[in-house]
Amino acid sequence: ETGVTQTPRHLVMGMTNKKSLKCEQHLGHNAMYWYKQSAKKPLELMFVYNFKEQTENNSVPSRFSPECPNSSHLFLHLHTLQPEDSALYLCASSQDGSSGANVLTFGAGSRLTVL
Amino acid sequence: GQNIDQPTEMTATEGAIVQINCTYQTSGFNGLFWYQQHAGEAPTFLSYNVLDGLEEKGRFSSFLSRSKGYSYLLLKELQMKDSASYLCAVRDQDYKLSFGAGTTVTVRA
Repeated sequence: ETGVTQTPRHLVMGMTNKKSLKCEQHLGHNAMYWYKQSAKKPLELMFVYNFKEQTENNSVPSRFSPECPNSSHLFLHLHTLQPEDSALYLCASSQDGSSGANVLTFGAGSRLTVL
Repeated sequence: GQNIDQPTEMTATEGAIVQINCTYQTSGFNGLFWYQQHAGEAPTFLSYNVLDGLEEKGRFSSFLSRSKGYSYLLLKELQMKDSASYLCAVRDQDYKLSFGAGTTVTVRA
């Protein structure tokens, strides 16, 4: 496996369910990110982890809970979501969280639908 | 924070040239990126500009004017596979990256 892999690709859940999104990168990067992509809107940065430490929480509701056990894996735990949380959730990684060109490599995303 | 504007949609003919403009207002500036995103796929990196001028990469070129808060992505010799969304992203003085809403380019035969 190469690049950034996200699972599941599609998820449908009820508002009372608990589910998790998983992201794995095989690039040796040290920073990982969660973005939310809604139709016709800019990508919204949710969380940043740099060397496993959370360095950014962009005022995300607590029903979204990130976890970064190591530099290669990132999770987004979902609990009591709202229908407006339906979106494409993109994971990305980069060499580190700042400096240089710091190009992001994205996964293909997890399409979430909240009923 | 940043305010990034780009057109919502553009249509062009195969073989033609299309220019996607991006204007931004930012607190400090540490680079501008263009990404391409095909429907249902991951955004992929196209170009990076941090100094004024034109960067050319094959059929794609990106231009930056920091004094005007302006960039464009130029796609030449358009092919059907270039139909995609093109995202402009700007990094500020704190290295925070903000994205525009994207420009959907449709290439017609």
